[in-house]
Amino acid sequence: DIQMTQSPSTLSASVGDRVTITCRASQSISSWLAWYQQKPGKAPKLLIYKASSLESGVPSRFSGSGSGTEFTLTISSLQPDDFATYYCQQYNSVWTFGQGTKVEIK
Amino acid sequence: EVQLVESGGGLVQPGGSLRLSCATSGFTFRDRYMDWVRQAPGKGLEWVGRTRNKARSYTTEYAASVKGRFIISRDDSKNSLYLQMNSLKTEDTAVYYCAREGGYCSDISCYTYFDYWGQGALVTVSS
Repeated sequence: DIQMTQSPSTLSASVGDRVTITCRASQSISSWLAWYQQKPGKAPKLLIYKASSLESGVPSRFSGSGSGTEFTLTISSLQPDDFATYYCQQYNSVWTFGQGTKVEIK
Repeated sequence: EVQLVESGGGLVQPGGSLRLSCATSGFTFRDRYMDWVRQAPGKGLEWVGRTRNKARSYTTEYAASVKGRFIISRDDSKNSLYLQMNSLKTEDTAVYYCAREGGYCSDISCYTYFDYWGQGALVTVSS
């Protein structure tokens, strides 16, 4: 299975900060990568698919980039509603997820 | 509005069985591939398995960790997805989510992610 590694595991930031989360794949996955946001006690919510395509209804402050083995999720200006855990997921082969990055209030 | 609602979670002893259901609405269920994904307490997400649609003969795939113990089925007349869990182990304790696949499938390959998720059903395996 393809291993997905996210960094950092935890990120402390303030409202208005620019935040970047990195996801690395153990082998090339082209652009077959999705990003999800999960809040405590809730289901994951799709943010980005195909590495950089924004899901309908997701604020434009979220963006994704990368291809091959290295990807990033960027939040251009962190809002109070964005404090959550973020997961990357590859779908080049059997689905696997990163371990998650918790964005917490600084 | 797309909705997925799981039910059937609960406490079961090791070695026991449990059946989860996922009732869906707001989309053409029969056309879609559907999945189960789980999340152990305080842990990350793990894909459990998938069922394809009638056009693909309702074929299924499973993660190695559940293969031979879990069975995914669907009833297109009821817009519902099921997960039969047998020979349960303590490590199967998790919130189980049903999820709809979005993305792209051809005759040769599929590149799909999960565009809608249910709220989850907690399964606790403990004596």
